Parts: sequence; structure tokens; C-alpha cells
Amino acid sequence: RKEVEQDPGPFNVPEGATVAFNCTYSNSASQSFFWYRQDCRKEPKLLMSVYSSGNEDGRFTAQLNRASQYISLLIRDSKLSDSATYLCVVRGGSQGNLIFGKGTKLSVKP
Amino acid sequence: NAGVMQNPRHLVRRRGQEARLRCSPMKGHSHVYWYRQLPEEGLKFMVYLQKENIIDESGMPKERFSAEFPKEGPSILRIQQVVRGDSAAYFCASSPDGLNEKLFFGSGTQLSVL
Repeated sequence: RKEVEQDPGPFNVPEGATVAFNCTYSNSASQSFFWYRQDCRKEPKLLMSVYSSGNEDGRFTAQLNRASQYISLLIRDSKLSDSATYLCVVRGGSQGNLIFGKGTKLSVKP
Repeated sequence: NAGVMQNPRHLVRRRGQEARLRCSPMKGHSHVYWYRQLPEEGLKFMVYLQKENIIDESGMPKERFSAEFPKEGPSILRIQQVVRGDSAAYFCASSPDGLNEKLFFGSGTQLSVL
């Protein structure tokens, strides 16, 4: 089983749609979880951290299920500018480095 | 851009040559990480350094690759005798502490080996 697994997509959705991405991780000792966004050929940028209680930032909602070792990202009211690759990132253990999933590609169409 | 500077942006080398990639972390950050991204792949951790120390090099290939972060100057990722399989985007990231809760990435160096 890969350390961090994501559906590669692509997810092609119309503007205004709601889209959800899922991610699973293999290391039950993982401590911290994040979603990064990467535009084509550019550097990854932190989108949001993921907390056990779930967290929301505008149109974006992230949730964590430790028992199932599962993380999700929900995007509501998709915009054209949301088109990017979304990277699920897990910190492996208390002193571990960040481990990146391969990413899920989202394409929002007019 | 979060202030992490990488250069060059693009580097072309012939097989057998050496490649040197530079990274200057954000001001106030003393922790540097190097990642490699192959086409259509995720980012793979290579090495984690603090000033004058390699903390974790578990992701570095055993041969030809080395990294340093001297007391003065940028961090350097050095690849000797490059091969075509080294062609990739190399990203540097920095953080203010070793908890790497948030990483700030540079724009990357795209290495092409002919």
C-alpha cells in the first residue's frame, strides 16, 4: 500500500459544482495532514491544514478520519480558478517529513 | 511567491556533466528541504538540512547526489555525472522550524538532461 494514495482524476466539473477529493494514508502514527495546491509547472502552495475536528475555509472544507486513515477535501461552488492539482500531504510520525500524494487533477469548465 | 529563491529556473545538461541547483530560504528560515518531482508523479522527499548539518538524507540516491547548506550562502543540491533519468523538477522548501508544519516552496529548477 502506498504511503499516501489519491485518485489521480482528472475531475472535470462545471462552474458552480461541488467536488470532493479523497485521500488515504498508510502510517497510523501520522500526526499532521494538509492539502496543497499545485498549478501546472509551478510550486505547491499550502491550501489548508486538516484537523481532527474538521475545518472550513470559505468554499473549502477538509475532514480527517483517523480510524479509517482517510482525509477529504470538499470544494463548493467551483470557480475556473480552482483548476489545479490538489495534493494530499501527510507528516509521517512526530518527526517525520512531509509525504506527498501524487495529486488529484481538477478541471473546472465554464 | 513565498520568498524562497531557487536558481536557475531551467538547467540543461548533457549526460555526464554536473548540475548545481541553488536555494535561498525565506528570511528567518533555517530549515531547508529538497524534493524531486518526475513528470506526472508526486513530490518525493530527498533531503532535509539545517545550517551546516544534514538532518535527514533518507530520500537521496546513494550515488552522485549530495546536498549542503553552509553557514553563509544558499543551499546547494549537486548532481554529478547526470543521466537522463535525473530530468525532473527540483523544488526547495523552507520552514522556520523543524516541525515542518508549513513549507514554503520555491519556484523550482527544471533540470533537463540531453
